[in-house]
Amino acid sequence: AQTVTQSQPEMSVQEAETVTLSCTYDTSESNYYLFWYKQPPSRQMILVIRQEAYKQQNATENRFSVNFQKAAKSFSLKISDSQLGDTAMYFCALYSGAGSYQLTFGKGTKLSVIP
Amino acid sequence: DTEVTQTPKHLVMGMTNKKSLKCEQHMGHRAMYWYKQKAKKPPELMFVYSYEKLSINESVPSRFSPECPNSSLLNLHLHALQPEDSALYLCASSHPIRHLNYGYTFGSGTRLTVV
Repeated sequence: AQTVTQSQPEMSVQEAETVTLSCTYDTSESNYYLFWYKQPPSRQMILVIRQEAYKQQNATENRFSVNFQKAAKSFSLKISDSQLGDTAMYFCALYSGAGSYQLTFGKGTKLSVIP
Repeated sequence: DTEVTQTPKHLVMGMTNKKSLKCEQHMGHRAMYWYKQKAKKPPELMFVYSYEKLSINESVPSRFSPECPNSSLLNLHLHALQPEDSALYLCASSHPIRHLNYGYTFGSGTRLTVV
């Protein structure tokens, strides 16, 4: 069985500041993928960033970057220059197991960006 | 077209009603999914269709009946639901081979209320 743990139910950050959301995971697979999804009040789940386990380089997408620590099974998301539109639920998700198509989600972190 | 379209956006139904949720995508994705999401919780996988065949059923009660009539369309037929089935129902799709490169594309969901 695989698990994803997000230990911060809620966080807040001032506009233009930087915030880091934590995620730890557990899997017995050697090849797996990690994702961060954003779910704003509009309800749609939006892919923010992805990381392949066999790649040591941390993924970056504009203001979003990850700190992937494979040995520690840690996958944190850093949001730089926070904007009001970043206010949302953020879910960390793990995929492992070829052909199963299954994502395992963490419980989510509610992020509020304060003007 | 890079969207997953779900209809209706909101649905209120009685416990004796029969209704259907619809999901459509035109991205050439051959894997489609139904998720159930309760408030402030992560999505829970219900069904997976791969190449129009049901490949995963996560022990969902028979009052939920999925259908995949073609590669672009996914339905969820509802009958004799209970109030605890009230939730946001999310549809998602993914490329059968490149799904890990691009993640899963989610729709905006149907907010279902059972009265």
